Amino acid sequence: DGGITQSPKYLFRKEGQNVTLSCEQNLNHDAMYWYRQDPGQGLRLIYYSQIVNDFQKGDIAEGYSVSREKKESFPLTVTSAQKNPTAFYLCASSLGPATNEKLFFGSGTQLSVL
Amino acid sequence: GEDVEQSLFLSVREGDSSVINCTYTDSSSTYLYWYKQEPGAGLQLLTYIFSNMDMKQDQRLTVLLNKKDKHLSLRIADTQTGDSAIYFCNTDKLIFGTGTRLQVFP
Repeated sequence: DGGITQSPKYLFRKEGQNVTLSCEQNLNHDAMYWYRQDPGQGLRLIYYSQIVNDFQKGDIAEGYSVSREKKESFPLTVTSAQKNPTAFYLCASSLGPATNEKLFFGSGTQLSVL
Repeated sequence: GEDVEQSLFLSVREGDSSVINCTYTDSSSTYLYWYKQEPGAGLQLLTYIFSNMDMKQDQRLTVLLNKKDKHLSLRIADTQTGDSAIYFCNTDKLIFGTGTRLQVFP
């Protein structure tokens, strides 16, 4: 079955530590996205990539980094510069880069600070 | 910039109809979407409407679009406890609102 897979489901970060969230898709989609969800605040865009080896900052990119070396993979690193990382992180993909295309979401990663 | 607004909460009795409303600013969208998010999960596409339509019915779901007022609504008939979730309307992949949390009580 085609889909988008996020791992791990739960992740804990210590002070000063960088952690990486995995996102893999086998839908042959060109575009991939990372969103952060805080309670009562909806989804906010962190980074997105419309094509391999290219990505753009979203509204809240500070303290995060990404790479897009393969079409299937779009990992998100939460760096120590992100002072409030506790949130639910969602990865999504779409067939192409047009902003009006439907999204396919992973099941999310809950990141907490120890 | 572009924006989407929804009320935060809606509470309905099981068996009643639910109506979730959305206003948006982006008038260029070809499609307008409704996504459903169950607790601790990702979003799933629930239904969508093409921008040149006024209404779309899909089993218990009815989507109404008023382009002049930039207003989108989702009606769920015979609401069940399994419909309890957060519902997001979306016109642009880069912008999401807060979503509406629907709570269904017996």
